Amino acid sequence: NAGVTQTPKFRVLKTGQSMTLLCAQDMNHEYMYWYRQDPGMGLRLIHYSVGEGTTAKGEVPDGYNVSRLKKQNFLLGLESAAPSQTSVYFCASSYSRGFSNQPQHFGDGTRLSIL
Amino acid sequence: QKEVEQDPGPLSVPEGAIVSLNCTYSNSAFQYFMWYRQYSRKGPELLMYTYSSGNKEDGRFTAQVDKSSKYISLFIRDSQPSDSATYLCAMSQDPYNQGGKLIFGQGTELSVKP
Repeated sequence: NAGVTQTPKFRVLKTGQSMTLLCAQDMNHEYMYWYRQDPGMGLRLIHYSVGEGTTAKGEVPDGYNVSRLKKQNFLLGLESAAPSQTSVYFCASSYSRGFSNQPQHFGDGTRLSIL
Repeated sequence: QKEVEQDPGPLSVPEGAIVSLNCTYSNSAFQYFMWYRQYSRKGPELLMYTYSSGNKEDGRFTAQVDKSSKYISLFIRDSQPSDSATYLCAMSQDPYNQGGKLIFGQGTELSVKP
């Protein structure tokens, strides 16, 4: 019973490098989300997906791209990493848009440092 | 101004104390209110969920929503060292038109001392 799994858990990049963060969920959830968490800022939504093949922008989408080619996977890409993207990234999924007994389930995060 | 404001703390209390955590918000369209608990180096997990105004109790935890004041609270009774975590409030408008998007507060770091 893995829930939401994020890969990798830690990564250090140099400015200008690219990388992809992978989120996988085994709960057959329709909705998936990518957040970043910075000190004093709480969790901010980057992009989200309401189903396979769909994506939408969240609160802070600039500098990131996403893809949802398979229902269980949601990928977050950084094309040209910048120091401002140093953060802890969380993926979440939920069964539907409702909240009653259907909360967003979070992974344990990817800690990303951009030098 | 942030849509949701939460005192980041840190808040330190002795074991057995009553803890009060609060958030204020500016968007009157918020209808769904949640509290998440986040242990160090872990993802947030849902603790309490409330729709519209009122109170909800679950064991030692009570969530209150006052939409007229745009103010929500989480009370923890008989606090335990295991309650030491960061508590995040989160809110949403109509999920059926918002893709289930949540707006989070900054989080309050709580430490319960034995």
